[in-house]
Amino acid sequence: GESVGLHLPTLSVQEGDNSIINCAYSNSASDYFIWYKQESGKGPQFIIDIRSNMDKRQGQRVTVLLNKTVKHLSLQIAATQPGDSAVYFCAENRAAGNKLTFGGGTRVLVKP
Amino acid sequence: NAGVTQTPKFRVLKTGQSMTLLCAQDMNHEYMYWYRQDPGMGLRLIHYSVGEGTTAKGEVPDGYNVSRLKKQNFLLGLESAAPSQTSVYFCASSYPAGRTLTDTQYFGPGTRLTVL
Repeated sequence: GESVGLHLPTLSVQEGDNSIINCAYSNSASDYFIWYKQESGKGPQFIIDIRSNMDKRQGQRVTVLLNKTVKHLSLQIAATQPGDSAVYFCAENRAAGNKLTFGGGTRVLVKP
Repeated sequence: NAGVTQTPKFRVLKTGQSMTLLCAQDMNHEYMYWYRQDPGMGLRLIHYSVGEGTTAKGEVPDGYNVSRLKKQNFLLGLESAAPSQTSVYFCASSYPAGRTLTDTQYFGPGTRLTVL
């Protein structure tokens, strides 16, 4: 079935380097995408979102890129910090009722 | 402004027991959701509600019931718990899609449920 998935289950990054987390989606009708960060023992926390009429959106130290041609979404974290260590999920909104479909998650480990 | 809160935080049940998880939000959101998260996996939608008095099935509704008697509360019930329902349960809320610049769902801290 149609789903959102991630290429890399674990990403190990040196502190200060940039991180790139990738996500593939298969439903071309999806029009809204979100990245969430989940720290151990906590609920998902909103990071950044993007609508399908955009290719790029920037936040504080984060950038989301959307490539609709290949149905690919990425999250870039600049100057990765120890506090960025978490599991990151992408999610797509493609149904009435504002329902989200989540990918499996990528764990980011920041090395000091 | 507490956002989304969930009670209880932890619970252990025996097979066949029943329980209700409570979710409350103080953001005046119309939409509310219940998800489950199993180890190493993303979130799967159990049930959701687009307004007071309404509920709908999500991806994995079997074995669960919900009620939305008040706009700020969304209850998730397990009538006869099974070990397969051992999971972490998250509640979320949002505005209706397209109503604001973002359709973001805001999540609670989760309830860790173990069924023996």
